[in-house]
Amino acid sequence: GENVEQHPSTLSVQEGDSAVIKCTYSDSASNYFPWYKQELGKRPQLIIDIRSNVGEKKDQRIAVTLNKTAKHFSLHITETQPEDSAVYFCAGDTGFQKLVFGTGTRLLVSP
Amino acid sequence: DGGITQSPKYLFRKEGQNVTLSCEQNLNHDAMYWYRQDPGQGLRLIYYSQIVNDFQKGDIAEGYSVSREKKESFPLTVTSAQKNPTAFYLCASSIRTQGTGELFFGEGSRLTVL
Repeated sequence: GENVEQHPSTLSVQEGDSAVIKCTYSDSASNYFPWYKQELGKRPQLIIDIRSNVGEKKDQRIAVTLNKTAKHFSLHITETQPEDSAVYFCAGDTGFQKLVFGTGTRLLVSP
Repeated sequence: DGGITQSPKYLFRKEGQNVTLSCEQNLNHDAMYWYRQDPGQGLRLIYYSQIVNDFQKGDIAEGYSVSREKKESFPLTVTSAQKNPTAFYLCASSIRTQGTGELFFGEGSRLTVL
């Protein structure tokens, strides 16, 4: 089955810096890769996703890149702000509604 | 106000007792899911259902049971067979049953076994 590994487990940056979170997956059949953000005490929410027929997707300060050959994908947050502080989860799905999540990255943005 | 409602938010149980967590959605979604969240382990899939009266085991189904008698409801029972039930449980739903779509999560239920 699919296995998704996520690094780093914690990431501290200064406000305005960029943050990058990386994930690797094992199942070459995976074709959908979402990223969820979970603020402290709140539910996870989808922030961006990418499908296997696309190499990069951007939404304002957030971007995701996908390298199918290497089986890894990354989340890039530019111009970080304190409200970006949260736990971020990557996930992979082969298309059968079974998302496999990474272990999460706790991002702390210091003012 | 559309969304997913989980109850109770906090639950305490003694060892050997079964407990049922409620999950209700009014989004008209076909697919529903239960995840378990433990520190440092991400979200792990317990059970999922793509249609009424049908459900499948996820990666960590042992010690849990579910039912899907109505489209809106997907309760999870944590049985006494679950060896380490203390955790944060998240219910989610999705509009898609073929392919993959956005998961909408509830606010979660925190279960503590005393």
